[in-house]
Amino acid sequence: EIVMTQSPDTLSVSPGERATLSCRASQIISTNFAWYQQKPGQAPRLLIYGASTRATGVPARFSGSGSGTEFTLTISSLQSEDFAVYYCQQYSNWPPFTFGQGTKLEIK
Amino acid sequence: QVQLVESGGGVVQPGTSLRLSCVVSGFTFTNYGMHWVRQAPGKGLEWVSFIWYDGSNKYYADSVKGRFTISRDNSKNTLSLQMNSLRAEDTAVYYCARAGMFGYDAFDIWGQGTMVSVSS
Repeated sequence: EIVMTQSPDTLSVSPGERATLSCRASQIISTNFAWYQQKPGQAPRLLIYGASTRATGVPARFSGSGSGTEFTLTISSLQSEDFAVYYCQQYSNWPPFTFGQGTKLEIK
Repeated sequence: QVQLVESGGGVVQPGTSLRLSCVVSGFTFTNYGMHWVRQAPGKGLEWVSFIWYDGSNKYYADSVKGRFTISRDNSKNTLSLQMNSLRAEDTAVYYCARAGMFGYDAFDIWGQGTMVSVSS
């Protein structure tokens, strides 16, 4: 099973600043990798797939990078609506499909 | 618009069964594989099961293998999850999610979830 490890667990950032979230896979997964955003009481929403492609309707301030085992989600200028929990996921080697434990992005 | 609507959740006792449904609309159901993903209260996301676009292949997490069965009725645009021998640790919000035909894709559309609570 591929283990996905996110860091940090909690990130405190001020609105307008940049946020950088990281995810590491325990094995090489190429770019079969996604980021999701989840707000309280809501279903997860796909943000990034293929490690770097924004899903439909996702603002350009969200960008993804990385390949192999190391991946990054960058939010260039945080808006109030961006404070949420973010999950990474691999869909390269399955079953199982595996998610990271989540990074909570909170207002500083 | 594209929509996934889950139903069937509830409060049940350990050892009993429950059947979840996910009705989809706004897209061609037979062009997509489908997943079930769950989230225990206050916890992260856990993948549960995946079924190919035509129902010919099914996959399960070890934690549910032998107890849960995924199925789909393409004539009714419906995905199902039959859950037997339920345990307290199965308590979670269950989401259905859309993906590629054969699984090598992200989960691009999610339902709103249905809550399953297993308690005596």
